[in-house]
Amino acid sequence: LAKTTQPISMDSYEGQEVNITCSHNNIATNDYITWYQQFPSQGPRFIIQGYKTKVTNEVASLFIPADRKSSTLSLPRVSLSDTAVYYCLVYHSGNTPLVFGKGTRLSVIA
Amino acid sequence: DAGVTQSPTHLIKTRGQQVTLRCSPKSGHDTVSWYQQALGQGPQFIFQYYEEEERQRGNFPDRFSGHQFPNYSSELNVNALLLGDSALYLCASREGSTSYNEQFFGPGTRLTVL
Repeated sequence: LAKTTQPISMDSYEGQEVNITCSHNNIATNDYITWYQQFPSQGPRFIIQGYKTKVTNEVASLFIPADRKSSTLSLPRVSLSDTAVYYCLVYHSGNTPLVFGKGTRLSVIA
Repeated sequence: DAGVTQSPTHLIKTRGQQVTLRCSPKSGHDTVSWYQQALGQGPQFIFQYYEEEERQRGNFPDRFSGHQFPNYSSELNVNALLLGDSALYLCASREGSTSYNEQFFGPGTRLTVL
């Protein structure tokens, strides 16, 4: 399974764009990249998933360069309610479980 | 749609006891996975059930066992509880056996072992 590395924590002011980069150097051809968000004492919530280039939804954008060895989650104009832990995961095709690291603890400051 | 539901919300047990946690998957989902999340850590995969059988298992001892019922709901059983079993236990469900489908997590059961 591809190992992921992401910053332990980040701070941001309200209204700013936040970019969290995750490295996954040994990603395999069939692997997808997915990001989850988790608030305290709640289960993780799916944010976005991609394979290559750029994916955008109503919550975030995901940028994946051509070599796919890293990915960047972009949160536009964060608010205090975006304070959470963000997990970057890489998983194989087929029936494989999600492997979570420690994630990035994002703190949004007023 | 109620999403993934888990019961109970909180539970306090003592060492050596046994516990059963329950999960109802999101409507239309047939695959259920269980995760253990210790304080300050990411969720760790325990096992996955599909078609009432354990399909995948993480690095957890046999004290952790599970079951999936014909209605796709699931139970997690932990025997001979240890202090280190104190954690948030999360259930996640998805449709079908391919992992490309988004997993939906429940709110978790907070287990405290004294």
